[in-house]
Amino acid sequence: AQKITQTQPGMFVQEKEAVTLDCTYDTSDPSYGLFWYKQPSSGEMIFLIYQGSYDQQNATEGRYSLNFQKARKSANLVISASQLGDSAMYFCAMKGDSNYQLIWGAGTKLIIKP
Amino acid sequence: EAQVTQNPRYLITVTGKKLTVTCSQNMNHEYMSWYRQDPGLGLRQIYYSMNVEVTDKGDVPEGYKVSRKEKRNFPLILESPSPNQTSLYFCASSGSYNSPLHFGNGTRLTVT
Repeated sequence: AQKITQTQPGMFVQEKEAVTLDCTYDTSDPSYGLFWYKQPSSGEMIFLIYQGSYDQQNATEGRYSLNFQKARKSANLVISASQLGDSAMYFCAMKGDSNYQLIWGAGTKLIIKP
Repeated sequence: EAQVTQNPRYLITVTGKKLTVTCSQNMNHEYMSWYRQDPGLGLRQIYYSMNVEVTDKGDVPEGYKVSRKEKRNFPLILESPSPNQTSLYFCASSGSYNSPLHFGNGTRLTVT
């Protein structure tokens, strides 16, 4: 069965520091995709970054990068130079092979301290 | 602007009074889905639709109905709401397998 695990329920980070949010996954599908979403306190779900299982390079989108280690089945989100506006819940999610459905992690609540 | 539009944003209702939460997307996406989000339980899929007139149950379909008569619209219907359906609801759509889900802004439903 497919599973996503986010082991950090919450994190406090000083503003301007880099942040790594952990995500490990379990799947037997040879092809899959990994997504990260941000949910601020206002409630909306914002797509951040995507990594395909066959992508050769780690995905990057502005200050967000994905540290994808396929052998370890991990897809950690790295936020560089954190800002107060990065305070939010962060969810890791996975799509299996030929399937639109997303498997979600429990989320990590990130709080950036000034 | 490409978006998923859900209405209403907030809804307070009483037990047993039928309600519909509307969802519309302007991206010509084939896949649409409804989720509910509850504290400690994360996001759980209610129903999804792969295309017009094609719908299927997700993880928690009991007490909900959906329809997909047009590609752009995917309403969520609660025929007889109960307090345990108090939750934050999201509609989402996607254009292809490896593209992200686009979410609506959410509907916060309270059933008293």
